[in-house]
Amino acid sequence: SYVLTQPLSVSVAPGETARLSCGADNINRFNVHWYQQKPGQAPLLVISHDDARPSGIPERFSGSNSGNTATLTISRVEAGDEADYYCQVLDNDNDHWVFGGGTKLTVL
Amino acid sequence: EVHLVESGGGVVQPGGSLRLSCVASGLTFSDSWMSWVRQAPGKGLEWVANIKRDESERYYVDSVKGRFAISRDNAKNSVYLQMNSLRAEDTAVYYCATSGSDFWGPYRSWGQGTLVTVSS
Repeated sequence: SYVLTQPLSVSVAPGETARLSCGADNINRFNVHWYQQKPGQAPLLVISHDDARPSGIPERFSGSNSGNTATLTISRVEAGDEADYYCQVLDNDNDHWVFGGGTKLTVL
Repeated sequence: EVHLVESGGGVVQPGGSLRLSCVASGLTFSDSWMSWVRQAPGKGLEWVANIKRDESERYYVDSVKGRFAISRDNAKNSVYLQMNSLRAEDTAVYYCATSGSDFWGPYRSWGQGTLVTVSS
């Protein structure tokens, strides 16, 4: 089955840029979606189809997908961005959805 | 605004059964793919199952095949997850989610989840 690899944790200072990676073999052939999850809450879609930002999501959130790595970039990080972030793709070989293990973003 | 409300969670012994329900509003339910996603305590998200609008297609993660069954009732705007032969590793918060009419689309709407605990 297809495996998405995310770093366990990323730390950044307020105002800096956070780059969260999601790695897999030829991930660029898939549409990658990203979710933010704060403690005790349901996940929230922050980026869809590699780089599309849903309504209501700040412009500070952006995405890219190239080669073996998809990236969620959060510019001008704020304390409120502290959360777990998950990438997701649809494995076309078996029509199964796959999530990465998640990255905990800490704002210093 | 889409609203998804899960129910049916609780404590069950290993080998037991439980049926989860999710009632949806604010969307054309009969046109929507519906899914269940779970999250074990302190762990990440895991897709469990999804179902097409007319029940003609259903998909399951390998670990629940043969034990779980997803179904829906479009007249009641509801989707269900029948869970049999439950194991300790099935302990998780179970979320109902939808990608709307797009099978390949992301989950734009989620419920708040219902906790299932499998323990003796």
